[in-house]
Amino acid sequence: SQQGEEDPQALSIQEGENATMNCSYKTSINNLQWYRQNSGRGLVHLILIRSNEREKHSGRLRVTLDTSKKSSSLLITASRAADTASYFCATDASSGGGADGLTFGKGTHLIIQP
Amino acid sequence: DADVTQTPRNRITKTGKRIMLECSQTKGHDRMYWYRQDPGLGLRLIYYSFDVKDINKGEISDGYSVSRQAQAKFSLSLESAIPNQTALYFCATSDWGGDLLPETQYFGPGTRLLVL
Repeated sequence: SQQGEEDPQALSIQEGENATMNCSYKTSINNLQWYRQNSGRGLVHLILIRSNEREKHSGRLRVTLDTSKKSSSLLITASRAADTASYFCATDASSGGGADGLTFGKGTHLIIQP
Repeated sequence: DADVTQTPRNRITKTGKRIMLECSQTKGHDRMYWYRQDPGLGLRLIYYSFDVKDINKGEISDGYSVSRQAQAKFSLSLESAIPNQTALYFCATSDWGGDLLPETQYFGPGTRLLVL
């Protein structure tokens, strides 16, 4: 069953604008990760935020984590056409780091209009 | 060269046929995974392996089997393919190193399978 649920399912914005995607989850986690998937391709790891962190930056990416609300947001600033992709959150809830600790949401499909 | 490769990239087969999807990695990771992706359902875990002697069922293992031939190779088989196994299949590896090193998975390019 899905642990993470992304919102919105689809998002279309103009190039240069900021894109915000949200992820909600149900159980306590060790960390939360965001991945990007270009159409028909494999997933690429973007950023990881641990449960004791509240915000993390990487280039044009900003991730926040609110463990009290069991939610995370991914912000892409100054969007570019190349950012068009699907974005997935994945939560690690395992106590021993098992594979079942990484559970993926259904994804947000982001379209950047030139 | 890609760190995680999958063959074939595309496959069309008929109901009842046995097929094998192969995955190879050059990252030296012990952990390997097979997922399927269906529109609107995200990724679902089929099988995973922590090392050559360790195979575990995932969320949706029925109708699938796997073989870990070596640290670098992890194959997924459909013994008797059925149309609802039409999907995009991904192999992934990870280098989880304990509680201090969170797990990050590295994905292959995917195999698109169509079962007629």
